[in-house]
Amino acid sequence: AQSVTQLDSQVPVFEEAPVELRCNYSSSVSVYLFWYVQYPNQGLQLLLKYLSGSTLVKGINGFEAEFNKSQTSFHLRKPSVHISDTAEYFCAVRDGGNAGKSTFGDGTTLTVKP
Amino acid sequence: EAQVTQNPRYLITVTGKKLTVTCSQNMNHEYMSWYRQDPGLGLRQIYYSMNVEVTDKGDVPEGYKVSRKEKRNFPLILESPSPNQTSLYFCASLPLSNTGELFFGEGSRLTVL
Repeated sequence: AQSVTQLDSQVPVFEEAPVELRCNYSSSVSVYLFWYVQYPNQGLQLLLKYLSGSTLVKGINGFEAEFNKSQTSFHLRKPSVHISDTAEYFCAVRDGGNAGKSTFGDGTTLTVKP
Repeated sequence: EAQVTQNPRYLITVTGKKLTVTCSQNMNHEYMSWYRQDPGLGLRQIYYSMNVEVTDKGDVPEGYKVSRKEKRNFPLILESPSPNQTSLYFCASLPLSNTGELFFGEGSRLTVL
């Protein structure tokens, strides 16, 4: 079974600093990778996704992630964060061979301080 | 507007009183799924459905039932709720014709006393 590990449960950072949220997944022949964001009292919305092709993926709000197959990682980065980026971030993996199964990490709470 | 709609958004109930959380999507998606979100545990899949009349268990199905009689609807049924089912529940859908992301409802916060 697929598993997803988000290496940091909480990441505090000051405004305008860079941030990296780390995600590792268990190996599979083919996977689709996603980062979702959940703002307080809201549902989840897609930040970015990797399906195939270029390993560097750009998403909304200035976020990007890099797919590293050898390290089975999909870390999320932003060069300069804003207060409004304060939210919970979830890494998710879907096995290419099983459209019905998406596995989520436990989430990383990003807190941006002024 | 394309959306996944859940009802109710908030519910407080008592142990053993049957309840249903409805989920409806207007995007003609084949796949629908229910998740529960608990602090520190991320999202865990309860049940999913690949199409009408096709449902399967996820990782935490105990205490829940689902049905898929119509493509757009996927209700979650708690026959006899218990306090450990207090959680935030999300419904999500996905078209099986592509490999894109899940579309989520806004969540239903359930408290079982």
